[in-house]
Amino acid sequence: AQKITQTQPGMFVQEKEAVTLDCTYDTSDPSYGLFWYKQPSSGEMIFLIYQGSYDQQNATEGRYSLNFQKARKSANLVISASQLGDSAMYFCAMRENAYNFNKFYFGSGTKLNVKP
Amino acid sequence: EAQVTQNPRYLITVTGKKLTVTCSQNMNHEYMSWYRQDPGLGLRQIYYSMNVEVTDKGDVPEGYKVSRKEKRNFPLILESPSPNQTSLYFCASSLSASGETQYFGPGTRLLVL
Repeated sequence: AQKITQTQPGMFVQEKEAVTLDCTYDTSDPSYGLFWYKQPSSGEMIFLIYQGSYDQQNATEGRYSLNFQKARKSANLVISASQLGDSAMYFCAMRENAYNFNKFYFGSGTKLNVKP
Repeated sequence: EAQVTQNPRYLITVTGKKLTVTCSQNMNHEYMSWYRQDPGLGLRQIYYSMNVEVTDKGDVPEGYKVSRKEKRNFPLILESPSPNQTSLYFCASSLSASGETQYFGPGTRLLVL
């Protein structure tokens, strides 16, 4: 089974609107971390936000927030007030801390296009 | 400046010719990792290292070797490259295995003919 599933290969959003990128994960590890990364066309990987499995509150970093629904095993990224510079590939990732010795798993990514 | 560096950034080689991609970090991080990125597959972990002399396989270790003799360096070795190892490779590091942030290098684009 896929550890990380991103079901939206591509999305469009109007500038200044909010957008949600979906991510579901599969693990039996009680301790894990969830990450979102941005990859612009230039190719570098940029860390956006982190959520620990024991964190009670949803993580937020500026315009980014992670909608963590543990029972549903989902970790959606919400970008508020989209900007043209947000156009990029976005990857959801998970690190399993206990049973799998800190291995990382990435989804296949969502390509976001922000329209002016 | 805190960073992860990789060399070379681009490499074209031929099947069977051994190569090494270097990775170095200047943040005194314990955890380092190698990934390959292929279209439609996202990133897949090749090997990772929890600390000096401690390495373990990721999801796709076949055809690769690593070593961690010093904390700052984590080279990726392809003993006998094959065309299916043509890919974009990233090295990454974090303060510890449970670190909240993983810093990535700029990537190495490898073409095996």
